[in-house]
Amino acid sequence: GENVEQHPSTLSVQEGDSAVIKCTYSDSASNYFPWYKQELGKGPQLIIDIRSNVGEKKDQRIAVTLNKTAKHFSLHITETQPEDSAVYFCAASIPNFGNEKLTFGTGTRLTIIP
Amino acid sequence: NAGVTQTPKFRVLKTGQSMTLLCAQDMNHEYMYWYRQDPGMGLRLIHYSVGEGTTAKGEVPDGYNVSRLKKQNFLLGLESAAPSQTSVYFCASSFLGAENTEAFFGQGTRLTVV
Repeated sequence: GENVEQHPSTLSVQEGDSAVIKCTYSDSASNYFPWYKQELGKGPQLIIDIRSNVGEKKDQRIAVTLNKTAKHFSLHITETQPEDSAVYFCAASIPNFGNEKLTFGTGTRLTIIP
Repeated sequence: NAGVTQTPKFRVLKTGQSMTLLCAQDMNHEYMYWYRQDPGMGLRLIHYSVGEGTTAKGEVPDGYNVSRLKKQNFLLGLESAAPSQTSVYFCASSFLGAENTEAFFGQGTRLTVV
């Protein structure tokens, strides 16, 4: 099955600086890569996703890049703000005729230092 | 819209006791999932359902059973709880499979087995 590795496990950045979280996946058939944000005491929430036919996607201060050859994808947050402090999870999905499942990375705890 | 609602939010069980976690969604989603979240291990899929009356095993199904008698409800059962099942459990639902639409998560159930 798919295996997703995520780094770093913890990340602290000064407010206003950029943060980058990286993930690698094992199965070259994976074609969908979402990122979820989990705030304290809440369930994860989708913040951005990318499909294998796209190399980069941006939504305001967040962006995701995908390198299919190297089998890795990254989340970039620019101009970080205190509300960006949370745990971030990457995930990957392999096509399976309606039985697709997400395989999650182990999470990155991002702390924004005021 | 309540989204995805999990009951209960907290529970302490003694080893060997049984319990059922209830997940209810009001978005008419076909797909429902149960995950467990443990420190340093991310979200791992326990069981999932692609529609009413269907269930399938995920990554870590041992010690758990599920039922999807109604489209809006997905029940997770622990027949004989063990300390290794101490975890935070999340239910999620999506309109289509994982690679097609966003998964919406509940707020989680924190279970402690002593």
